[in-house]
Amino acid sequence: DTAVSQTPKYLVTQMGNDKSIKCEQNLGHDTMYWYKQDSKKFLKIMFSYNNKELIINETVPNRFSPKSPDKAHLNLHINSLELGDSAVYFCASLGKDYIQYFGAGTRLSVL
Amino acid sequence: KQEVTQIPAALSVPEGENLVLNCSFTDSAIYNLQWFRQDPGKGLTSLLLIQSSQREQTSGRLNASLDKSSGRSTLYIAASQPGDSATYLCAVRGGADGLTFGKGTHLIIQP
Repeated sequence: DTAVSQTPKYLVTQMGNDKSIKCEQNLGHDTMYWYKQDSKKFLKIMFSYNNKELIINETVPNRFSPKSPDKAHLNLHINSLELGDSAVYFCASLGKDYIQYFGAGTRLSVL
Repeated sequence: KQEVTQIPAALSVPEGENLVLNCSFTDSAIYNLQWFRQDPGKGLTSLLLIQSSQREQTSGRLNASLDKSSGRSTLYIAASQPGDSATYLCAVRGGADGLTFGKGTHLIIQP
């Protein structure tokens, strides 16, 4: 009954590969986000979707492509992975109480 | 562009002390401010949310204040316990939906 769930929890891959991270929320929220937490633990927003439509696209390489098949899911696909993509990626959703609810994170290691 | 600064970056205190974590932001045009807790290897847990029209919020031993005009917030933790050890993150929500985070205060409560 986890509210915001991400899979996988850990992802280890080689440079140049393509990978996806999945996110699902069962809270009925309309808005979902992807954040990146770098090696210095600094969290930055990447994307925001409202009801399957892109709202925010921060300065993120176009190798990153979010996909929202329905408002409960926001997946993150990454092409041609680079060493600098290694980070923890967090999915979140926005409640009617204006609180953002975060998933447990996906730790991506690019070798 | 919004910038959020948290002071101190790290803090270590004996159990039982009251303590204050500080957060400042450069653009006072915010919708709300949220304090989170992050445990090592885990996601973010929302502690308190203060709307822009509010001055403070309380939850148990935690009290957060907001002075929007001066761009400051404080998180007060009363009677600290070893279980309070974590990284505390301050984040503001501005015109867009996404949150802008500070770099966090790493808190250690010594038993």
